[in-house]
Amino acid sequence: NAGVMQNPRHLVRRRGQEARLRCSPMKGHSHVYWYRQLPEEGLKFMVYLQKENIIDESGMPKERFSAEFPKEGPSILRIQQVVRGDSAAYFCASSPGGVDYGYTFGSGTRLTVV
Amino acid sequence: KNEVEQSPQNLTAQEGEFITINCSYSVGISALHWLQQHPGGGIVSLFMLSSGKKKHGRLIATINIQEKHSSLHITASHPRDSAVYICAVNPSGSRLTFGEGTQLTVNP
Repeated sequence: NAGVMQNPRHLVRRRGQEARLRCSPMKGHSHVYWYRQLPEEGLKFMVYLQKENIIDESGMPKERFSAEFPKEGPSILRIQQVVRGDSAAYFCASSPGGVDYGYTFGSGTRLTVV
Repeated sequence: KNEVEQSPQNLTAQEGEFITINCSYSVGISALHWLQQHPGGGIVSLFMLSSGKKKHGRLIATINIQEKHSSLHITASHPRDSAVYICAVNPSGSRLTFGEGTQLTVNP
């Protein structure tokens, strides 16, 4: 039973390009969370999704960022027209349910914008 | 002021020492989590607590809901325990709010 799978592990993009980060939750987990860790900073919540629904996107920047979790396939965090300030580690976590359940984290995607 | 405060920010210990990392929070929560992050690595969930105390191997986590405080203890510390330890809480809904982390270095 594989854990939370994130890919790619490392992603380099030039300013203005698009970045697509993928997260496959653990088997049986229908709740996915995306968190961002800027250099030398703590983790910050971005978005919470269930299958085909965005539950809470209050941590997402208003522009250029979007997330989805389709009925089939992984959750995708998409960053359009990347800027240097988007360089960070992006972590995905999954859970089988709500607050009473623990979380399993992926290994993260390290995005570098050059 | 952050909703979750950890202390100390940095901690250096000698192998074998008993280590304590503290976490205080200022909001009502349903659970508190302790996480471990190795340099360049992923995040591992160590404990989820809503009351009392939990133990796993050499790690012990306690929480005092009334005082809004939790501690993570490591007994007989080892260099492989060197990592960042992060306290996180569920203040509302099921998303997590994180402390800034404690960088632990255990020297042989």
